[in-house]
Amino acid sequence: SAVISQKPSRDICQRGTSLTIQCQVDSQVTMMFWYRQQPGQSLTLIATANQGSEATYESGFVIDKFPISRPNLTFSTLTVSNMSPEDSSIYLCSVAGGPGANVLTFGAGSRLTVL
Amino acid sequence: KQEVTQIPAALSVPEGENLVLNCSFTDSAIYNLQWFRQDPGKGLTSLLLIQSSQREQTSGRLNASLDKSSGRSTLYIAASQPGDSATYLCAVKNQGGKLIFGQGTELSVKP
Repeated sequence: SAVISQKPSRDICQRGTSLTIQCQVDSQVTMMFWYRQQPGQSLTLIATANQGSEATYESGFVIDKFPISRPNLTFSTLTVSNMSPEDSSIYLCSVAGGPGANVLTFGAGSRLTVL
Repeated sequence: KQEVTQIPAALSVPEGENLVLNCSFTDSAIYNLQWFRQDPGKGLTSLLLIQSSQREQTSGRLNASLDKSSGRSTLYIAASQPGDSATYLCAVKNQGGKLIFGQGTELSVKP
């Protein structure tokens, strides 16, 4: 399965600032996914990032707040813009692989705390 | 709207005990169901994937079952070990390709 590197692993940020999370995969993948896991909650899909096109956002998530880049088939970034304490979460990137691309592999996550 | 529920939210067992984690979902029209393990600081690891046409999957001491008609899946862990301590998540993939996660069961296996 793919190996995913995410950074930063954690960060403490000030309200109103923005932070960019990077996701690097050791193989070329068509789709990369960004999830959010708020404290005590399950994972929620933010958006699907396709190379060469705009990301597809889920209901409740908008590009202005969570801009995503996908410059090539092995790399993606997620920016959390104008952060507030409610954005304190773990953010995870994921890729699909295996037969039928059904098995999801996740990065270790980026734990953000917004003060 | 698909909802995935995991019970219990937390479980503590002594080492060596067999245990069952439960996952239920409201819409039986799923494409597959996947069990994950989440360790702090290490992201999620896929444990077992059950296609909608399958009843169960086994890997080592783990056995996952799927009953689509009743909207249930179980993860059976045999002879539990302290290293099994983690949060276990189930996720269903609906026909539209979207993955819906449960909130997880936090398992603690005491030596």
